[in-house]
Amino acid sequence: GAGVSQSPRYKVAKRGQDVALRCDPISGHVSLFWYQQALGQGPEFLTYFQNEAQLDKSGLPSDRFFAERPEGSVSTLKIQRTQQEDSAVYLCASSLQLYTEAFFGQGTRLTVV
Amino acid sequence: AQTVTQSQPEMSVQEAETVTLSCTYDTSESDYYLFWYKQPPSRQMILVIRQEAYKQQNATENRFSVNFQKAAKSFSLKISDSQLGDAAMYFCAYRSYLNTGANSKLTFGKGITLSVRP
Repeated sequence: GAGVSQSPRYKVAKRGQDVALRCDPISGHVSLFWYQQALGQGPEFLTYFQNEAQLDKSGLPSDRFFAERPEGSVSTLKIQRTQQEDSAVYLCASSLQLYTEAFFGQGTRLTVV
Repeated sequence: AQTVTQSQPEMSVQEAETVTLSCTYDTSESDYYLFWYKQPPSRQMILVIRQEAYKQQNATENRFSVNFQKAAKSFSLKISDSQLGDAAMYFCAYRSYLNTGANSKLTFGKGITLSVRP
């Protein structure tokens, strides 16, 4: 595609519900990042993939958060048993190589009620 | 760990005027990258300008320029001839120069909301 695509754009989940957020990076991009952006804050790193390998997951806030990229393209961020503090915008970014420019998607705004 | 500080939560500028957005950072590394990103209401982060720490010359991109002071760990963004479309949140970000996956992440400041008065 022309850019990084994320779906859904908006998600409302009841507390305790599981959610899955999708990121479709630019075709051919090796590196993929997930960030969490709380209201009024800057994005914070969650996890990083190089192709299908998850090389860094140090930013995942709890074991309820899980990310995968099984074929080295589309990635899914899954949050189990959502809590109110999970409400945020989740941004995905991809880059052609590790140190080339990162392109961001429009994010998924998750609201947990 | 690196930190990025943007102490001004909001700024306002008159259309066609110049505005400077401030950013400071802390790091023990000598080589790194600094960025300014723009985030409009659509939420998509757009790269405005990039500076390599080993370059002494300040980066410029059309109406956007930076004042990079490495010793002071300061990295401000100057927007000249401000336009209505410049209104957005602006984030300062840091990235290590080290060539490992874990160091390729961006560390962002809290951002500043820029409004442009017509």
